Amino acid sequence: GAGVSQTPSNKVTEKGKYVELRCDPISGHTALYWYRQSLGQGPEFLIYFQGTGAADDSGLPNDRFFAVRPEGSVSTLKIQRTERGDSAVYLCASSPTGGPGTEAFFGQGTRLTVV
Amino acid sequence: AQSVTQLDSQVPVFEEAPVELRCNYSSSVSVYLFWYVQYPNQGLQLLLKYLSGSTLVKGINGFEAEFNKSQTSFHLRKPSVHISDTAEYFCAVSGLTGGGNKLTFGTGTQLKVEL
Repeated sequence: GAGVSQTPSNKVTEKGKYVELRCDPISGHTALYWYRQSLGQGPEFLIYFQGTGAADDSGLPNDRFFAVRPEGSVSTLKIQRTERGDSAVYLCASSPTGGPGTEAFFGQGTRLTVV
Repeated sequence: AQSVTQLDSQVPVFEEAPVELRCNYSSSVSVYLFWYVQYPNQGLQLLLKYLSGSTLVKGINGFEAEFNKSQTSFHLRKPSVHISDTAEYFCAVSGLTGGGNKLTFGTGTQLKVEL
């Protein structure tokens, strides 16, 4: 596809369960970002990948959150022992390069609801 | 550290009227500035960005913004709005250095255009 694709679009899970959220960036984009958007808030940075490596994971809230990008393309955000406070829209974005000022192209997000 | 303040959570305006959405930022270093728009059920889309040069930046759909360093502002304007401009608008900043284009977003302004 032409844009950033995120699956699933919606995910409902029970408190304490494990979830995986997937992001397919635009082909050829080396930079990939994860953000979290809570209700009534702007997106908050979670983690940035340049290629396969996590160049900046300073936004991950705690060690229950982990993300990988093993082949430098698709990325998976993993959340262990989910809590109700994890409910939010998780956004993925990609850029052609990781340079400051470059445009980030966003996916439509995955809405995670923890019940 | 950087922060972004969008003072208006909602802005109602009649079609064909002018609109200004306010954005102020705080940063200890120089920043790049962005405006993103989020239409219902769609991903964030870049409207415009300021990197350097002319402080008046023109974007898509007739929007423009002016960077004011002394007032640390980057207000978004459109001289005549259309119903289709109804959306959530986010102001964001990123640092000039460091890896990646990590964005810090404001809380957003909901623009509602009425007939």
